[in-house]
Amino acid sequence: AQKVTQAQTEISVVEKEDVTLDCVYETRDTTYYLFWYKQPPSGELVFLIRRNSFDEQNEISGRYSWNFQKSTSSFNFTITASQVVDSAVYFCALSEAGKKTGTASKLTFGTGTRLQVTL
Amino acid sequence: EAGVAQSPRYKIIEKRQSVAFWCNPISGHATLYWYQQILGQGPKLLIQFQNNGVVDDSQLPKDRFSAERLKGVDSTLKIQPAKLEDSAVYLCASSWNRGGYTGELFFGEGSRLTVL
Repeated sequence: AQKVTQAQTEISVVEKEDVTLDCVYETRDTTYYLFWYKQPPSGELVFLIRRNSFDEQNEISGRYSWNFQKSTSSFNFTITASQVVDSAVYFCALSEAGKKTGTASKLTFGTGTRLQVTL
Repeated sequence: EAGVAQSPRYKIIEKRQSVAFWCNPISGHATLYWYQQILGQGPKLLIQFQNNGVVDDSQLPKDRFSAERLKGVDSTLKIQPAKLEDSAVYLCASSWNRGGYTGELFFGEGSRLTVL
C-alpha cells in the first residue's frame, strides 16, 4: 500500500528565510511518481512539480527546489527567500504507474504542511 | 484553457438530507476524480472514472454516496442521506493519460459541504 508522511504540521518563518518541507513516502512499486501541490486559502490545489522514480536529479524552478532521495524515500521541497505569498498548505503526493493499459493511477496525499510566512 | 469547474461552491444541509455536486473537467481529459478533504487532512480519493467507466471506487461509502459520469464528460457526486462526518470539501480533478502514463491532476476550487 502507498503512504505519504509529512511530519511537519505547521511551519512559521519570517519573509526572506529559506524553508524546507519534508516528505517521506512508502510504496512497493518500482515505478511511481511524486508530486507537490500548493493549496492557498482559496482552496484550489495548484500543481507544482512531478518526478518519476527513475529520475533522481534535483530540480530548481525559481525560488523552488526539490530534493529526491530514493535511498531514504524522501522528496523534500525547499523555498528560498520565502515571501508572504508562499503562505499556503503544501501537499506531497504519490502515484503508482497505471496497472491497466490506458488508465491513470490515483494520487495518495500526505496530510499537508501549513506554511505561514510573516513580514 | 478553461479549468475544472465545480458547483455549488458552498452548501449547508441538515443531516439525513441529500446533496449533489457537479463537475465539468478540462476538455479532453479522460480521467476524472472525486476527492474528499476533511478539514486539516489531505484529500482522499472517493472515486476515479476513466471516460464513463469506474476505475476505482474502493473508498466510496456506497451506502450513501453515488457518482456517475454520463457520456464521459461531466460528473455528479451525490450524498443521500448525509451524516455529520460528511462535512468536508469535495474536490473534483481531471487528468489526461496515455497508455498508463499519468499527467498531473488539475483540481477545481471544490465544493464545501457543511452538515448540521
